Amino acid sequence: KAGVTQTPRYLIKTRGQQVTLSCSPISGHRSVSWYQQTPGQGLQFLFEYFSETQRNKGNFPGRFSGRQFSNSRSEMNVSTLELGDSALYLCASSRDTEQFFGPGTRLTVL
Amino acid sequence: GEDVEQSLFLSVREGDSSVINCTYTDSSSTYLYWYKQEPGAGLQLLTYIFSNMDMKQDQRLTVLLNKKDKHLSLRIADTQTGDSAIYFCAESAGGTSYGKLTFGQGTILTVHP
Repeated sequence: KAGVTQTPRYLIKTRGQQVTLSCSPISGHRSVSWYQQTPGQGLQFLFEYFSETQRNKGNFPGRFSGRQFSNSRSEMNVSTLELGDSALYLCASSRDTEQFFGPGTRLTVL
Repeated sequence: GEDVEQSLFLSVREGDSSVINCTYTDSSSTYLYWYKQEPGAGLQLLTYIFSNMDMKQDQRLTVLLNKKDKHLSLRIADTQTGDSAIYFCAESAGGTSYGKLTFGQGTILTVHP
């Protein structure tokens, strides 16, 4: 069974630009969650989508948004990038209690 | 609010047991998890425990939960150099919140030959 995949794996952007990250969950998993990992703040929950609806939301500004498609694939978008948005963005999928993570997208904002 | 705390560093010799500790504050925590992260990689789910359990064993891993003290531990028996990584404790409230994990800051485990 294929694991969670995330594209792209690495991304370099400049301040003010926007970025879209993609996540394909494990087949049969309807829940997709997104997390931001930085050395200073650690792992922080961004949001969770279930059956195309946002079910949970973390404490991030409105520049961070996401969506989920009917095939459970999810995208997250960050607009007006700031230097502090540089991070590893992790996506996780679950069918029940276990969350399985993808390898992450490393975003660098210059 | 939710808060999860871990000690930052642990160093052990190969073949010894490692014990990584975690405390949490949310009384509604239903599931508690242990994840492993190796350099440049995502998170690997090691094991999890439901809050009505005291202990769970899975091969070299033993999880102990003291719900009264809100204390969770992960014991790795016969620790190997390949176990060197960052270990994260995490909790969720379950129900419609199982997709929302709150993580500790991670414990860096170093295994010396």
